[in-house]
Amino acid sequence: NAGVTQTPKFQVLKTGQSMTLQCAQDMNHNSMYWYRQDPGMGLRLIYYSASEGTTDKGEVPNGYNVSRLNKREFSLRLESAAPSQTSVYFCASSNYGVNTEAFFGQGTRLTVV
Amino acid sequence: GENVEQHPSTLSVQEGDSAVIKCTYSDSASNYFPWYKQELGKRPQLIIDIRSNVGEKKDQRIAVTLNKTAKHFSLHITETQPEDSAVYFCAAIPEGQNFVFGPGTRLSVLP
Repeated sequence: NAGVTQTPKFQVLKTGQSMTLQCAQDMNHNSMYWYRQDPGMGLRLIYYSASEGTTDKGEVPNGYNVSRLNKREFSLRLESAAPSQTSVYFCASSNYGVNTEAFFGQGTRLTVV
Repeated sequence: GENVEQHPSTLSVQEGDSAVIKCTYSDSASNYFPWYKQELGKRPQLIIDIRSNVGEKKDQRIAVTLNKTAKHFSLHITETQPEDSAVYFCAAIPEGQNFVFGPGTRLSVLP
């Protein structure tokens, strides 16, 4: 039981490049989330998926797209990376409608130069 | 949507003293209130949570209190130790909706 697994752990991109952050959970959770955390800042919600097949915008969705590939996997895509997207990205999952614990992945440290 | 405020943003205490972090929320439909601890360079992890039908919950040195009328809840850490130094996040979740976190409190426990 690995919990929530994110890849990659570190990434450096040049401005304008694209990339996809992968996230998978093995806890049979309905809901999955993507947050970004800037230095000294809190967790800001980018997108979330309440259940397989649905996605919704969070607080800071601009510049990102997501795909809920199946119940286990929720990916985050940066189509044209910008320096303002330099951050630590966390994926999380929980049971929607049950309000139980949210489990976080180990994070992806992304630097855009 | 839900809005969560958290105070203070930074807190320094002497080892052995108590620490209190307070959060307020806006949505009266919120019924689940977890607290997460994030150590430097690590992922946030749940340390304690409370549901709206309970006023207080305790787990060893940590406790959480909830006042639904005033829409605020607090984290209490007693007999603080150096390993309690971390960033703490509160959250308030209406039934069936996504996690909205407070901005965090950086706690430093001084030896």
